[in-house]
Order: sequence, then C-alpha cells, then structure tokens
Amino acid sequence: QKEVEQDPGPLSVPEGAIVSLNCTYSNSAFQYFMWYRQYSRKGPELLMYTYSSGNKEDGRFTAQVDKSSKYISLFIRDSQPSDSATYLCAMTSGGSYIPTFGRGTSLIVHP
Amino acid sequence: EAQVTQNPRYLITVTGKKLTVTCSQNMNHEYMSWYRQDPGLGLRQIYYSMNVEVTDKGDVPEGYKVSRKEKRNFPLILESPSPNQTSLYFCASSRPGQQETQYFGPGTRLLVL
Repeated sequence: QKEVEQDPGPLSVPEGAIVSLNCTYSNSAFQYFMWYRQYSRKGPELLMYTYSSGNKEDGRFTAQVDKSSKYISLFIRDSQPSDSATYLCAMTSGGSYIPTFGRGTSLIVHP
Repeated sequence: EAQVTQNPRYLITVTGKKLTVTCSQNMNHEYMSWYRQDPGLGLRQIYYSMNVEVTDKGDVPEGYKVSRKEKRNFPLILESPSPNQTSLYFCASSRPGQQETQYFGPGTRLLVL
C-alpha cells in the first residue's frame, strides 16, 4: 500500500460545479498537507497548505484535513474551465525534507 | 520575476552518455531539490540540498549525482544514463523550514535510448 493514495481520475464536471478532490494516507506522522496544481507541460504550483487538522479557505478553494481519518480534501467552488489540470496532494512530517506526493487527480471542467 | 529555471527542457540521449540538467533559482532560497515524475508513480524526490555544499538523498537517488557549489544552482548529473531514467524531471526550491511551500521549475523531459 502506498503511503498516499489519490484517485487518478479523470474527474469530469460541468462549469460551475463544486469539485471535491481527496487523498488518504497511512503515515500518522504527517503534519503538513499541501495541494499543488499542475497544468499540462508545466511544473506543479502550490495552491494551498495546511498544518495539522482543520480547514483553510482561499477564494474558491478550501482545504480540509482530518487527521483522525487520515484523509485530506480540496474543494473547488464555482469551477471554471481554467481549473482543468492535475491536482497533486503532498504531505510531510515535521523536520522531514522529503515530501510524499499522491499520483495526482486529473480534473476536466467542461463549459 | 521570481522563478526556477531548468535547462534543457527536452533532451534525447543514448545509454551511457553523461549528461547534466541545470537548475537555477533567483529567490535566494537555501533549500533545493530534484524530483522525477512518472505515470502512475507521481513525484518522487531524487536529492535535496539544505544549503551550499550540503546535499542528501531523497527516495530514489540511484543513478544520479548532484552538487551545490553556489546557492542559486543545483545541477542534476546522470553519469551513465539508462532507459529507466527516461522521465520528467523537476527542480524545486524553498526557504529553509518551508519545504511545504516549494516553487517548481518548468520541467525537463528526458528520453534515454
């Protein structure tokens, strides 16, 4: 079993939908949780990161961490075609310099 | 503009021919790292560097070398490339203690024949 599991998709939704992207993990030492967006033929760019459990909101994006369930989510409200990309979750424990990435979920938002 | 640059962006080579992929950042970041991205496997860290002359192995270091002689540069060296090193490579940088907020380069697509 991989340390971080992420459904590769693709996930196809209509414009304006609420999107839910998820990752599960097995290492209870993880404390920092990140979401990256990667457009085709580009490098990943950091969207959001959270420390420990809880929610964090930034515009249309909300990141949730449930450490008790070892489950993290990224919600995208009012999705746009420009949100079409691969979304990578990543996590690391305090003091570790080696983050563990999920495989990424491909999201397609069609007009 | 704050950025991480990589060169070359695309490279086709043959087995055993030494190559270097350069990485440079203009943000004065101490921490730099190299990843490879493969279908179905996601991003995996090859090597990282905490500062000049300080490097350490990531998850998949076999077949790779790195050096950090200057703060802004972190080249990746494949001394004897093999076909299983065909991949998409990314360099990243961040401030120390902020590895959760890494800035990635645009990627280098390598094909080893």
